[in-house]
Amino acid sequence: DVKVTQSSRYLVKRTGEKVFLECVQDMDHENMFWYRQDPGLGLRLIYFSYDVKMKEKGDIPEGYSVSREKKERFSLILESASTNQTSMYLCASSRPAYSNQPQHFGDGTRLSIL
Amino acid sequence: QKEVEQNSGPLSVPEGAIASLNCTYSDRGSQSFFWYRQYSGKSPELIMFIYSNGDKEDGRFTAQLNKASQYVSLLIRDSQPSDSATYLCAVPWEINDYKLSFGAGTTVTVRA
Repeated sequence: DVKVTQSSRYLVKRTGEKVFLECVQDMDHENMFWYRQDPGLGLRLIYFSYDVKMKEKGDIPEGYSVSREKKERFSLILESASTNQTSMYLCASSRPAYSNQPQHFGDGTRLSIL
Repeated sequence: QKEVEQNSGPLSVPEGAIASLNCTYSDRGSQSFFWYRQYSGKSPELIMFIYSNGDKEDGRFTAQLNKASQYVSLLIRDSQPSDSATYLCAVPWEINDYKLSFGAGTTVTVRA
């Protein structure tokens, strides 16, 4: 089974802090994704990566950056956390190239910015 | 990317009934569609992928794709309380793209 592990289940940070969310997958997937999920808005793509050191912006990249130094690890960085970044953050991974490859999700990190 | 719309629900059905969920999408060129199930407090899990027109069945789940009308449906037969969850429809941004646009989801409650 594919295992996508997010480092924290719950996280509370303060406005202005730099926040790191970590994600590790164990299936050697090339593609990795960061989403946020808010009530009534569904899943919105923040960033994705299709290879080490490669990244592309998603729907809502403002205020976020990412890092992928190793194939199995994809980090989401909130440069200066703000209250409107309070949300559930989900990491996912998938095999590349074909649109019928499912995305496998981690358990999510519920982030609160105070 | 594609726009994907779903009725938010909640859709309440009695145990043993058929639950019918709909998803409409904006791009007539879309070819593949995913249905994910998300239990409360959990992450989404894939339950169905459909590519061609017509129906695809997997156990109690049937996906129906109608490209002409630009909608895809999910039917849950013999609904069980364990089917109570939010169901998310997803469509690739472009043909053969691995980025997905998700609908906001339909919440289903199965009454025992």
